Amino acid sequence: EPEVTQTPSHQVTQMGQEVILRCVPISNHLYFYWYRQILGQKVEFLVSFYNNEISEKSEIFDDQFSVERPDGSNFTLKIRSTKLEDSAMYFCASSRDRGSYNEQFFGPGTRLTVL
Amino acid sequence: GESVGLHLPTLSVQEGDNSIINCAYSNSASDYFIWYKQESGKGPQFIIDIRSNMDKRQGQRVTVLLNKTVKHLSLQIAATQPGDSAVYFCAEGNNNAGNMLTFGGGTRLMVKP
Repeated sequence: EPEVTQTPSHQVTQMGQEVILRCVPISNHLYFYWYRQILGQKVEFLVSFYNNEISEKSEIFDDQFSVERPDGSNFTLKIRSTKLEDSAMYFCASSRDRGSYNEQFFGPGTRLTVL
Repeated sequence: GESVGLHLPTLSVQEGDNSIINCAYSNSASDYFIWYKQESGKGPQFIIDIRSNMDKRQGQRVTVLLNKTVKHLSLQIAATQPGDSAVYFCAEGNNNAGNMLTFGGGTRLMVKP
C-alpha cells in the first residue's frame, strides 16, 4: 500500500539554525500539506501546496517558513531560523484531489526539537 | 473564532464493548467532517468521513453520526479491540477553504482487556 514517508524521524537543532524537513508524498497525489502538532496539543494546519505554489496557509506559516517541491518526488518544509516554540511533530500529508472526501494521507512525522 | 473541540479527553472501555467518542463543532459552514486515529509515534490515520448533507455513515465496525442541529459529531466503534487504543481526532473541512483541515483536541481511547 502506498504511503507518505518523512525524513528524518527526529531532528535536533540549535535555536536560530535552519532546518529542512523532507517528505515523499504518494506518487499519484497532486496536493501536499504540512501540519504540526505541539506535544499534547491538537494537529494544526500550516500550508497546502498544489501545482508548484501555495494554495492556502495558516497564520502559523509566517516568513520563517517556506515549502518547495524541488523535484518530482520530494516536498520540503524549511524553517529559516528556528525558535524554541517551533519544537513539535511535523506531519506531511498528500491527497489526490481537493474538496470534500479528499482523503489526506499522513506521514509518520518528524519530531523537531529546538534547543 | 470557530473551532472544533472534544467533550472527553480520555475514554476507557472494556474489550468487546462499544465505544462512543464525541466532538462538538461551531463552524456551521463546515462541508465535511473526518475522524482520524493516531497511534503513539505515528501520523493521523483516516478512519471515516461524512458530508454535511448526511447524518450517518457506516464503515467497517465504525459509524459516524452527524447532528447539525446541535453541531455534534460522534464516532461509534463496535466491539472495541485492544488495537483500537489510540487518540481520536475529529476534523472539519470547508470546500471554500480548500483542503485545510481544522482538527479538534483529541480523545484518548483506552481499551482494557
